[in-house]
Amino acid sequence: DIQMTQSPSSLSASVGDRVTITCRASQGISNHLAWFQQKPGKAPQPLIYGASSLQSGVPSKFSGSGSGTDFTLTISTLQPGDSATYYCQQYTSYPHTFGQGTKVEIK
Amino acid sequence: EVQLLESGGDLVQPGGSLRLSCAVSGFTFRNYAMSWVRQAPGKGLEWVSSISASGAGTYYRDSVKGRFTISRDNSKDTLYLQMNSLRPEDTAVYYCAKWTPYSSGHYLGYWGQGTLVTVSS
Repeated sequence: DIQMTQSPSSLSASVGDRVTITCRASQGISNHLAWFQQKPGKAPQPLIYGASSLQSGVPSKFSGSGSGTDFTLTISTLQPGDSATYYCQQYTSYPHTFGQGTKVEIK
Repeated sequence: EVQLLESGGDLVQPGGSLRLSCAVSGFTFRNYAMSWVRQAPGKGLEWVSSISASGAGTYYRDSVKGRFTISRDNSKDTLYLQMNSLRPEDTAVYYCAKWTPYSSGHYLGYWGQGTLVTVSS
């Protein structure tokens, strides 16, 4: 199975900050990676697919990059509504594993 | 508008069975692969199972193989997850999700709101 490791597990940042979350795969997954945002009590919402393509309707302050084993999700200007847990998921091979999540809080 | 509505979650004793349903609308169900993803209370997301558009291909995580069965009825626009021999560690919110294709793959582009399964005596 491919293991997905996110870092950090949590972070606290100020409004307006640039935030970067990393996701590392235990083996190469090409660009078969998605990022999801989940708020408490809600279903996950897709942000990024194909490692760097923005889901329709998602603000351009979210961006993704990477290929192979190392990936990043960047929030360019953090806003209070971005407080959530963020997950990466690989879909190159079964089981389609998720990272453990990164909880983003606003200072 | 794409909609996915899960149902069937309940409190069940260890060793019991439950069938989850996911009724969909807003897209041509028979053309898309589907998945179930779960989330234990306070924990992260965990992929459970996927099924191809035709239903011919099914995939499971190891911990549910032989106990869970994913299926679909393309005439009823409904996805199912039959869960047998349930264990306390199966306690979770179960989400159904629709695969969205793009040029070089497909990803979970739409999710339902989830249904809670609690396995406890």
